[in-house]
Amino acid sequence: ETGVTQTPRHLVMGMTNKKSLKCEQHLGHNAMYWYKQSAKKPLELMFVYNFKEQTENNSVPSRFSPECPNSSHLFLHLHTLQPEDSALYLCASSQGTGNYEQYFGPGTRLTVT
Amino acid sequence: DQQVKQNSPSLSVQEGRISILNCDYTNSMFDYFLWYKKYPAEGPTFLISISSIKDKNEDGRFTVFLNKSAKHLSLHIVPSQPGDSAVYFCAAIRNSGNTPLVFGKGTRLSVIA
Repeated sequence: ETGVTQTPRHLVMGMTNKKSLKCEQHLGHNAMYWYKQSAKKPLELMFVYNFKEQTENNSVPSRFSPECPNSSHLFLHLHTLQPEDSALYLCASSQGTGNYEQYFGPGTRLTVT
Repeated sequence: DQQVKQNSPSLSVQEGRISILNCDYTNSMFDYFLWYKKYPAEGPTFLISISSIKDKNEDGRFTVFLNKSAKHLSLHIVPSQPGDSAVYFCAAIRNSGNTPLVFGKGTRLSVIA
């Protein structure tokens, strides 16, 4: 595997479910990011981790809970989501938060019913 | 309030002609700009960037122009090819590098053979 991978690619969940999104980067980067892309909206930054430490939480509701056990793995735990949370969730990584070139995974298409 | 604006949601161009994608920004503190390209079912991939100390950066068929006084940048693709059909995102960042990338909504380019 190379680059940034995300699983699952598609997820349908009910509002009472608990699920997790997984991201893994094989680039030796130190920073990882979660973005949300909703229809007709810009990419919205959710969380930033640098060397496993969270450095940015962009006013994300607590029903989204990130976890970064090491510099290569990033999770987004989902709990009691709302239908408006349906979106494409993208993970990205970069050498550091000061490095501008972020490498994106293919995303997880989430549908909340 | 959107700090990075891509006012054209879509653009159609004939193969072989020039594609011009536009981007405006409102934050005068931005001093590094990037273009990302996104195919369906894939994450965005970095295409080209420009620092505010330059007004042009060229890489093969892709050229980015920056007009700081107008807070405007554009991406030129010459000649356009059907494989260029994708969504193009403009992004901007402050030179401190520790602030997140701010993305526009994207412009969908269709290159017609």
